Amino acid sequence: GAVVSQHPSRVICKSGTSVKIECRSLDFQATTMFWYRQFPKKSLMLMATSNEGSKATYEQGVEKDKFLINHASLTLSTLTVTSAHPEDSSFYICSARLAGTSDQETQYFGPGTRLLVL
Amino acid sequence: AQSVAQPEDQVNVAEGNPLTVKCTYSVSGNPYLFWYVQYPNRGLQFLLKYITGDNLVKGSYGFEAEFNKSQTSFHLKKPSALVSDSALYFCAVRVNSGYSTLTFGKGTMLLVSP
Repeated sequence: GAVVSQHPSRVICKSGTSVKIECRSLDFQATTMFWYRQFPKKSLMLMATSNEGSKATYEQGVEKDKFLINHASLTLSTLTVTSAHPEDSSFYICSARLAGTSDQETQYFGPGTRLLVL
Repeated sequence: AQSVAQPEDQVNVAEGNPLTVKCTYSVSGNPYLFWYVQYPNRGLQFLLKYITGDNLVKGSYGFEAEFNKSQTSFHLKKPSALVSDSALYFCAVRVNSGYSTLTFGKGTMLLVSP
């Protein structure tokens, strides 16, 4: 299957700072990437859909000015949590779909990034 | 709107016994159905999917699932459970449309005892 990486795997930051999380498709091109948030023992909540070369589509209730998404290339999408606060602490997971292949319906997920805001 | 129900928070099974993790869905249109597994502090790993064709789908690690349109179900099964199968399992659905997104169930924790 396709491989998706995330960096960093874990980050601790002070309240009020910004944190950038990278999501990369390592062996395929991804025109569409997705960002999810997962709370402890809870399901995944879709935050936004990231399209290469265009603005991200945010789900209802997700603040686009707080969670900045950039999809600058076919292999990289970034999520920046701006002015982070303790309630932003969570597990953030990205995923990507293979573009233009017979497997384009499957989303492949990164290993996740654990964010802790103090 | 589309939704997924995983009625069991946890499933307990002894090693060597068959296992079933239940999933039912609701979509307007033809569904694409997926099963993912998540180990602690890790992302999701793809297990299998149903897009079209045979209702019985075989996936990774000996898992399989059966698409039942009349019951709107997509239960995950394995003939003989392993302790290493213990993890959190998510069922997901999206409608057959280029712009639709995945909707996940709440997850079912599978615990396989030695």
